[in-house]
Amino acid sequence: AQSVTQLDSQVPVFEEAPVELRCNYSSSVSVYLFWYVQYPNQGLQLLLKYLSGSTLVKGINGFEAEFNKSQTSFHLRKPSVHISDTAEYFCAVSEVDSSYKLIFGSGTRLLVRP
Amino acid sequence: EADIYQTPRYLVIGTGKKITLECSQTMGHDKMYWYQQDPGMELHLIHYSYGVNSTEKGDLSSESTVSRIRTEHFPLTLESARPSHTSQYLCASSDQNRGSFFGQGTRLTVV
Repeated sequence: AQSVTQLDSQVPVFEEAPVELRCNYSSSVSVYLFWYVQYPNQGLQLLLKYLSGSTLVKGINGFEAEFNKSQTSFHLRKPSVHISDTAEYFCAVSEVDSSYKLIFGSGTRLLVRP
Repeated sequence: EADIYQTPRYLVIGTGKKITLECSQTMGHDKMYWYQQDPGMELHLIHYSYGVNSTEKGDLSSESTVSRIRTEHFPLTLESARPSHTSQYLCASSDQNRGSFFGQGTRLTVV
């Protein structure tokens, strides 16, 4: 079975500062990794994904993440955040099979202050 | 942009009523899912489908049922709503190469 840990429930940061949202996972099999963003009263939007290949993945809105297999981590980063980045961010994994069923972390609320 | 739609967006209903949450996608995806999300919490898979006439229960036990008669349609039904069913329900479909796409969700309140 897989599990996902997002240790930071909330990350406050000032506008234009860099940010890192941490994600660690546990799995006995190979996994795909995802980051989703959820704005208030909305569904989830895919930010980026790691399926295979290069461990540095670039996504939408200037976000990127790096897959570290030895540390079982998939941290999300952005060099300069905007007020509009304030949202809930979810890390998720799925087994490398055909199901694409997602296991989610508990989420990290990014709060960008002016 | 993903083309996956959920209706209604918000629903307030009395205890004991039967409800159906609608989910449709126009992308031709075979795989579809229902996730449940309580306020401020992570999402949990409650149902999924690999294609027409295929439905499976997810990791989180749910009293709801689903059907998949058409590829594009994956409705979720609660035969008798209870306050414990109050939650947000998110529908998703997946493409093997691009991951899962989510609808905007249905926020259900049972009073």
